[in-house]
Amino acid sequence: QKEVEQNSGPLSVPEGAIASLNCTYSDRVSQSFFWYRQYSGKSPELIMSIYSNGDKEDGRFTAQLNKASQYVSLLIRDSQPSDSATYLCAGSNYGGSQGNLIFGKGTKLSVKP
Amino acid sequence: GAGVSQTPSNKVTEKGKYVELRCDPISGHTALYWYRQSLGQGPEFLIYFQGTGAADDSGLPNDRFFAVRPEGSVSTLKIQRTERGDSAVYLCASSLISGTGHTGELFFGEGSRLTVL
Repeated sequence: QKEVEQNSGPLSVPEGAIASLNCTYSDRVSQSFFWYRQYSGKSPELIMSIYSNGDKEDGRFTAQLNKASQYVSLLIRDSQPSDSATYLCAGSNYGGSQGNLIFGKGTKLSVKP
Repeated sequence: GAGVSQTPSNKVTEKGKYVELRCDPISGHTALYWYRQSLGQGPEFLIYFQGTGAADDSGLPNDRFFAVRPEGSVSTLKIQRTERGDSAVYLCASSLISGTGHTGELFFGEGSRLTVL
């Protein structure tokens, strides 16, 4: 298993729908997880971080972490065309330093008007 | 500006040449990171500085790659004897270290696109 795995997509959802993005991770990844959004040709920007089992909500975004299943997800409610981007899942490298993150390849999300 | 600044934004070089990429972090951010991103891939960790010292250089692929941060602010990533496989976008990020030990938010610069012909 790759350390952080994501479905590369593209994931296409209609405007106003819920977009569900998923990520699984291996034992090499520690317990801090991050979702970054990357617009085409731009740099990643952090949208959510989650450290504990369960759900964390921030506006239209909800991150979910299930450590037993080694699974992280991001839900985007009321999806907007401006949400169209690549979403990168990242986890801390177990035994590594702060900021030593392992990223997945990203899931490309397309929100259709 | 207020963000992480990287120069050059684009660099084309020939195989075997030496290149330097510069990063100016957000003022007051003590932590600085270098990542590189190849097409269709997520960013790959290279090195992390806390202040002037390299706290973690485990991601540097080989001894052709070296980075410095002599005054604890600006950093330079140096690549010797470039190879075609070094072609990628080199991303710099900075952050504050929170009291909980979590990284907090990594603020990425727009990157330096390196093309080795």
